[in-house]
This record gives sequence, C-alpha cells and structure tokens, in this order.
Amino acid sequence: KAGVTQTPRYLIKTRGQQVTLSCSPISGHRSVSWYQQTPGQGLQFLFEYFSETQRNKGNFPGRFSGRQFSNSRSEMNVSTLELGDSALYLCASRLGDSGNTIYFGEGSWLTVV
Amino acid sequence: ILNVEQSPQSLHVQEGDSTNFTCSFPSSNFYALHWYRWETAKSPEALFVMTLNGDEKKKGRISATLNTKEGYSYLYIKGSQPEDSATYLCAFIRGAGGYQKVTFGTGTKLQVIP
Repeated sequence: KAGVTQTPRYLIKTRGQQVTLSCSPISGHRSVSWYQQTPGQGLQFLFEYFSETQRNKGNFPGRFSGRQFSNSRSEMNVSTLELGDSALYLCASRLGDSGNTIYFGEGSWLTVV
Repeated sequence: ILNVEQSPQSLHVQEGDSTNFTCSFPSSNFYALHWYRWETAKSPEALFVMTLNGDEKKKGRISATLNTKEGYSYLYIKGSQPEDSATYLCAFIRGAGGYQKVTFGTGTKLQVIP
C-alpha cells in the first residue's frame, strides 16, 4: 500500500512568488492535513480537509490556502512568499474521525530567498 | 489555544540508560492520544494510539501509559540504543466526528550517546 506522497520534495522560491505543494494521501483516506515545521518549532497545524471541505484551520495568514479534490488529493498554496515561510511542509492523512493513526509524507522543503 | 506540552524539550542519555518523557494535555473532551517517533530525514511514524484512561501500550523496549483524568501520558524507553535517537511527538485528539481536532506537542528530542 503506497504511503503519503508529497511533491515536490525540495524547492527554492523568491520572496513575493507563490508556491503550490501537492499531497496524495493513502488510498481510502479521506482526511488530509497540512503542517509547517520551522527550526525550533513544533508541528504547526495549517488546515485539514475532509471530503473536499476544509474542516479545521490553524492560525496562519490568508496567504496560506489549500484545497482537496474528489480523489482526496490535496494541494496547498502560499502566495506572496516571505522569508519566514521557509520551512518543511508536511502532509498527513488518516482514514476518518475515529482517532486513527496519522500517516505522514516525507515533506516538502521550501526555501524562500 | 490548546496547550499540549512535552517535557523535557531535549535530553541526552548514555546507551543502555532508561528514560522517560511526558506529554501533558487538557483533560476535557479527550478522544485519543498518539505518540510518534520522528527520525532525522524521515517522516514521523506512529508508535502508539491510546484511547482509554489507564491504557498501557508496549512495543519492544518502548512503552507508554495514559492518564486522561489528569491529562498526561508518559513514554518510557528501556535500555536506550543509538537507533532510538529521534524526536518523540505526542498528538492530542479531542472531539469526535467533524469537530475532531489534532494538536501536536513540540516534541522531545532524544540523543542516545554510544
């Protein structure tokens, strides 16, 4: 069974640009969440999608957005990139709402220069 | 803001030592508590999913306990090995159905010195 797949794995963007990251969850998983990890910080929750609907949202500015498609694949977009957006972005999927195990992708490393 | 706190933030232990760390979470609206191990250059992997007060889980040399009434969970590693070096994360899951929320602690970074 394929795991959570994230693309691209590494990317470098210039301040002011925008970026789109992609995540394919484990087959059958309907919940997809996104997290940001910066040096010295824990996993900061960005948002969660369930059956194409954003269900929960973390405390991030509106420059961070996401969506989920009918096949459960998800994308997150960051517009007007700032240097502080440089981070590891992790996607995670789980089956549903019964406290199931969360499965993580390997992450997308974003560097903003 | 939901506080899920882990302590200590980091620790160094000698190979063979046993160690433990704590995850503290709100005691209300509890649904589940997870532990994850996050090794460098890998993605976090689940260790335990705990749902009942008094739960004790064991996997090899690693075990965990759960106290939902007082809002804490302990993770124990017996006879630490260098391959145990990783960041250990707990995740507090509250609510049910469409209102379920997951909050991760900031992690405990463990370094086992050979």
